[in-house]
Amino acid sequence: GNSVTQMEGPVTLSEEAFLTINCTYTATGYPSLFWYVQYPGEGLQLLLKATKADDKGSNKGFEATYRKETTSFHLEKGSVQVSDSAVYFCALTGNTGNQFYFGTGTSLTVIP
Amino acid sequence: GAVVSQHPSWVICKSGTSVKIECRSLDFQATTMFWYRQFPKQSLMLMATSNEGSKATYEQGVEKDKFLINHASLTLSTLTVTSAHPEDSSFYICSARDRSKETQYFGPGTRLLVL
Repeated sequence: GNSVTQMEGPVTLSEEAFLTINCTYTATGYPSLFWYVQYPGEGLQLLLKATKADDKGSNKGFEATYRKETTSFHLEKGSVQVSDSAVYFCALTGNTGNQFYFGTGTSLTVIP
Repeated sequence: GAVVSQHPSWVICKSGTSVKIECRSLDFQATTMFWYRQFPKQSLMLMATSNEGSKATYEQGVEKDKFLINHASLTLSTLTVTSAHPEDSSFYICSARDRSKETQYFGPGTRLLVL
């Protein structure tokens, strides 16, 4: 079946620090992979996505590479800001593109 | 970009009453919409898949008589929480699939508090 495992938080970083949030997946076929961000009290916003192996998704300084050999889609950012404080969800959709499978979310707090 | 709205964004109700939450795709047609539930500090759990013009498909463990879903048109799906209890308090999020682009978009969520 399909599932997503992401590193547990919470993660606390100082401003300008390097961020990595690990995400690995299990899927049948060829899933699409996503990172969503949820700010306090709000819904999900798509941060970036990759639809096939070796694709790199990037947005707002965040990036993640679809690694089929390691079944991973780790999120990285070179220099985090206080405004990046949020919960980050790794997710995948299967072949039909319908149902999303979410990881448990990783809470990030960036302190000045 | 594509927008999905939910109404209301916040609702507080008394135990035993029913609450209806609307999910609308504002600038695209969605043959399929999805309803998720999110508990505090947890991930989203798919409750049901709503297909326009047909019955919803519920995930295991979700009571279909308690969470009534109606996908009345290509731009609107509703979730009605019937006879709400405090344990139904949660954050409900819908998503809609743009059938022309095969892309899903998430709504901003509805926070339900049952007293």
